[in-house]
Amino acid sequence: DADVTQTPRNRITKTGKRIMLECSQTKGHDRMYWYRQDPGLGLRLIYYSFDVKDINKGEISDGYSVSRQAQAKFSLSLESAIPNQTALYFCATSDLLVDTQYFGPGTRLTVL
Amino acid sequence: SQQGEEDPQALSIQEGENATMNCSYKTSINNLQWYRQNSGRGLVHLILIRSNEREKHSGRLRVTLDTSKKSSSLLITASRAADTASYFCATGDNAGKSTFGDGTTLTVKP
Repeated sequence: DADVTQTPRNRITKTGKRIMLECSQTKGHDRMYWYRQDPGLGLRLIYYSFDVKDINKGEISDGYSVSRQAQAKFSLSLESAIPNQTALYFCATSDLLVDTQYFGPGTRLTVL
Repeated sequence: SQQGEEDPQALSIQEGENATMNCSYKTSINNLQWYRQNSGRGLVHLILIRSNEREKHSGRLRVTLDTSKKSSSLLITASRAADTASYFCATGDNAGKSTFGDGTTLTVKP
């Protein structure tokens, strides 16, 4: 089984809809991250969490919110989706002592 | 804003040749990581080099770090068609966050 899982893997939705992307991990890591990737570009940090009670905004948090339900679960919500949020979304985890990040398989989101 | 910038943006070589990718960054770092991404998939960690290290090896990978020039290079020796992918550098800060560059797309022709 994969250490970091994301659901759904693909999602097509309409402008104005609320969308939730979920991430679960079995690595036992405290740190979790949400990134988005646009075609031909690198990853940009949306939100990150260093433990269950810690939530921090990243580079591009506007239009997004997150919830850290447990050490193993970190959800990303788009309150009112817009077309320029069409992208590939990745969840990642890392250990407190080592900065290596472990990525999920990604969620391809299309907002029409 | 991107911290790391990879160069070149795209690289095409023949199988068996070496591939070198470079990463430049702007501010002080705690570490620098290299990742690989196959088309549309999640990133896979390749190697991490700390700011007090100058060179690391892992199999066919060699990474160098020059903090005075704020640059790093990734060398893949004896490349294979299976090495075809995008390669990203990420700079890690003291707060535990990493900032990714836009990547180098490597194509290895059989």
